[in-house]
Amino acid sequence: GENVEQHPSTLSVQEGDSAVIKCTYSDSASNYFPWYKQELGKGPQLIIDIRSNVGEKKDQRIAVTLNKTAKHFSLHITETQPEDSAVYFCAASRGSNYQLIWGAGTKLIIKP
Amino acid sequence: ETGVTQSPTHLIKTRGQQVTLRCSSQSGHNTVSWYQQALGQGPQFIFQYYREEENGRGNFPPRFSGLQFPNYSSELNVNALELDDSALYLCASSLERQYEQYFGPGTRLTVT
Repeated sequence: GENVEQHPSTLSVQEGDSAVIKCTYSDSASNYFPWYKQELGKGPQLIIDIRSNVGEKKDQRIAVTLNKTAKHFSLHITETQPEDSAVYFCAASRGSNYQLIWGAGTKLIIKP
Repeated sequence: ETGVTQSPTHLIKTRGQQVTLRCSSQSGHNTVSWYQQALGQGPQFIFQYYREEENGRGNFPPRFSGLQFPNYSSELNVNALELDDSALYLCASSLERQYEQYFGPGTRLTVT
């Protein structure tokens, strides 16, 4: 079955700098890769996603890149702000009626 | 547009008891998925409901069961509670054949 690994487990960056979180997946049939942000005491919030027929997607300060050959995808946050502090999860799925398989999460800390 | 809602927010139960958690899907969403999130970990897929039938199940025992109602709301039932069932239970809704899943705030279950 699918396995998703996420690194690093904790990432501390200076406010205004960029942050990059990386994930690898094992199932070549996976074709959907969302990223979620989870703040303390809240449910995960979908922040960006990418499908396997696209190599990169950007939404303001957030971007996701996908390398299907290497089976890895990354989340890039530029010009980080204090409100970006949260736990970020990557996930992978084989389709709309398939379960999401999640990484273990990255705690992002933005230092003032 | 109303987002995904879950009730109750918190719940404390004793080992061996039974519990029912409730979820109302986002307006127009007819598919509901349930996830268990242990402290410090990524969510684990329990099962998905579509058109009032189970449409996929993760690696959870039969004492985890669910229902979906004609208005697309859903219940998660857990029998014979064990200490390891202590977790945040998340409900996510999505549109038929759409990849994006939107999560509620979760129900924090503590089993003592």
